[in-house]
Amino acid sequence: NAGVTQTPKFRILKIGQSMTLQCAQDMNHNYMYWYRQDPGMGLKLIYYSVGAGITDKGEVPNGYNVSRSTTEDFPLRLELAAPSQTSVYFCASSHGTDKETQYFGPGTRLLVL
Amino acid sequence: KQEVTQIPAALSVPEGENLVLNCSFTDSAIYNLQWFRQDPGKGLTSLLLIQSSQREQTSGRLNASLDKSSGRSTLYIAASQPGDSATYLCAVKGGAGSYQLTFGKGTKLSVIP
Repeated sequence: NAGVTQTPKFRILKIGQSMTLQCAQDMNHNYMYWYRQDPGMGLKLIYYSVGAGITDKGEVPNGYNVSRSTTEDFPLRLELAAPSQTSVYFCASSHGTDKETQYFGPGTRLLVL
Repeated sequence: KQEVTQIPAALSVPEGENLVLNCSFTDSAIYNLQWFRQDPGKGLTSLLLIQSSQREQTSGRLNASLDKSSGRSTLYIAASQPGDSATYLCAVKGGAGSYQLTFGKGTKLSVIP
């Protein structure tokens, strides 16, 4: 049981490039989330999904896109990378009931130059 | 808009001391409150989850309290150890059906041997 896995661990992008951050979970969780964490700041929700085929925006969705074709995978797409997207990105999952916590992946550190 | 504040931003204590980390939130209409631990370069690990109807939760040397009416929570760590050194994040979840966690910026704890 690997929990929540994320790839890559670290990536440098040039301004204007695109990339996909991968996230997978093996806990059969319905709910999945993408957060970003800027230095010295709390985590902010980018997008979330309540099940395959269903996604919705969080607090800071601009510049990102997501898809959820399977229960296990929830990739985050960055189009036209900008320096403001330099951050650490965390994926999380949960069963979805209000009483349950979210389980976090190890994060992807992204640097846009 | 919910805001979560954690005080202090950093704390250094000698090994063996008991300590308290503070968390305050502006909107008392929360569903639950969680304390997470974050180690450098790692994801978040859930420590304690307190439902809005509860006053406290305990796990080993950790005790978290919740006073929803005053918008405050504390995390008490007994007999601190060097292995407790990490950043501790407080997060609140909005009302039932809300998917978003609002995080504080964290308290960085250093336990000196």
